[in-house]
Amino acid sequence: NAGVTQTPKFQVLKTGQSMTLQCAQDMNHNSMYWYRQDPGMGLRLIYYSASEGTTDKGEVPNGYNVSRLNKREFSLRLESAAPSQTSVYFCASITILTSGSYNEQFFGPGTRLTVL
Amino acid sequence: DAKTTQPPSMDCAEGRAANLPCNHSTISGNEYVYWYRQIHSQGPQYIIHGLKNNETNEMASLIITEDRKSSTLILPHATLRDTAVYYCIVRGSQGNLIFGKGTKLSVKP
Repeated sequence: NAGVTQTPKFQVLKTGQSMTLQCAQDMNHNSMYWYRQDPGMGLRLIYYSASEGTTDKGEVPNGYNVSRLNKREFSLRLESAAPSQTSVYFCASITILTSGSYNEQFFGPGTRLTVL
Repeated sequence: DAKTTQPPSMDCAEGRAANLPCNHSTISGNEYVYWYRQIHSQGPQYIIHGLKNNETNEMASLIITEDRKSSTLILPHATLRDTAVYYCIVRGSQGNLIFGKGTKLSVKP
């Protein structure tokens, strides 16, 4: 199992450019998440997908869109990148147990994005 | 906002136990406490979680007070590779993890 994979690992954009961050998991997890982490801070939730076909906003969704392509893949798109979006982006996935509780959340290695 | 508070940093001597405290005074009765760590800006790594009983696994032990308002993560024999930022987390309503700034643990020779 590869777990959670993310591409690309690094990216430099100019202000106004667009790009899509890709995330895939091979653990058959229901729920997937996108977080961002700014220097010296904890992770903050951008968007999440509780199950295939559904997406919802998190704490900091402005400037982003997401697509839950299938159960495995969850992409994050920046339509017009801004310097404030310079950050490290982490994708995560989890399965919700039948009891309604949660198991451990698995994280990808991150994408380091710089917007000039 | 994070539902937990942790000291910003701690030091520990290699081979000694590292005890990382966490306050979560507003935790509700059915909310679990989770601990994750992040090494060198890698993706966070799960350590342990608990509800009200003490828990132990191959990585650490988790001690939760009887009133559930605080907990302590114990790394029994810290190594240099345990140097990381440790996050004490109460899960959000959407299943997401609500991160604070964590505790930066430095294990020193």
